[in-house]
Order: sequence, then C-alpha cells, then structure tokens
Amino acid sequence: DIQMTQSPSSLSASVGDRVTITCRASQSIGSYLNWYQRKPGKAPKLLIYAASSFQSGVPSRFTGSGSGTDFTLTISSLQPEDFATYYCQQSYSTPLTFGPGTKVDIK
Amino acid sequence: QVQLQESGPGLVKPSETLSLTCTVSGGSVSSYYWTWIRQPAGKGLEWIGRIYTSGSTNYNPSLKSRVTMSVDRSTNQFSLKLSSMTAADTAVYYCARWSSYYFDPWGQGTLVTVSS
Repeated sequence: DIQMTQSPSSLSASVGDRVTITCRASQSIGSYLNWYQRKPGKAPKLLIYAASSFQSGVPSRFTGSGSGTDFTLTISSLQPEDFATYYCQQSYSTPLTFGPGTKVDIK
Repeated sequence: QVQLQESGPGLVKPSETLSLTCTVSGGSVSSYYWTWIRQPAGKGLEWIGRIYTSGSTNYNPSLKSRVTMSVDRSTNQFSLKLSSMTAADTAVYYCARWSSYYFDPWGQGTLVTVSS
C-alpha cells in the first residue's frame, strides 16, 4: 500500500495568513494526488485534483503543486470559512489511501 | 447537481452484519464507480472499496473478506455490507462517487457504533 503523510498535523493561523500544508507519498505517484476539505458535520469537499487542477467552484486562493512524492496545498489568504481539516489522497493505485489530515484552526 | 445520502442503523451488535445504503439524487448510478470510505474516531480515512454500475468491484484487501457491495439501478442506490462487526469497525461511514481520479461528491457521513 502507498502510505501518505502530512505535515503539520495541525496549525493555528489568523485570517489573512498564508498557509502551506505538505503531503508526502511513500513512493512516486506522479500527479495522482487530490486534496479535500472537511468541516464538522459536512460532506468532505474536493478542492484540488491531479495535484494542481482546481475543482469547479473552489476559490482561487487554494492552489496545489508537486509531483512524484512531495506535494503542497497553499491557501494564499486564509478566510474564516477555511478553518477545517485538509486531507491528501493518492489515486495512483489501489488500495486508495489518504493522509492523516491537517487541522487548521483559529489562532 | 449530484447529491449522496447515507442511511442505515446507527448501532450494530458485535458479530452482526452492517448494512448501509447510499441514495443518489440529481444523477444516475448508471455510470461511474461508487465507493465507501470510513473514519474511526481519532483515526484516518480508510477506503473500503468501490463498485461500478456493472457490478464490478474492488475492495480494500484489509477488509475484503468481510465486504460486499451492490448497486440497484431501479432505486438509484448502492449498498455496503460489512460482516462480523467489532468495536474496531465503529466509525463514520461515507459514500462517494469515484470519477476515475477523485472522490466527488461525498455524502455527509453516518456514524455507526458497534456495541452490545
């Protein structure tokens, strides 16, 4: 199985801050990497697919980059609605696997 | 737009079989893969498996011996059965559409607790 790790596991930030979350795969996965946002009691939401492609309707402050084993999700200017947990997920091979998540909360 | 909603019992006894259903609205199950994912409290997201409209399935090897998925085109639903439930299976269970590269959309999730 491909193991996914994320760092940090949590962070505290203020509205307007630039936030970067890192995801690493245990082997090369090309660009087969997706990012999701999850808020309590709500359905997880796809933000970025194929490492850097925007899902329709996602604000442009969310950007993804990387390939191979190292990936990043950047929020350019954190907004109040962005406080949530973020997960990366590889779609290179089955079993499909997720990172452990990064919780972004208010400083 | 496509929306998914999980339904099923919130409480299951140890050794029993969990049965969950996901209802698809705003679209048809007659295309795409349909999947189940779970998250035990304090743990990460775990992919359970997927089923195509034809009935073709792929299961996570860690659960394969206990999992059965099915699709019902007449009701626009797909289902999960997980047998021999234990406390370790207590989790929030999500259904989602798999579009070959990503999960989208997802249901809100349903909490299943295993307890006598």
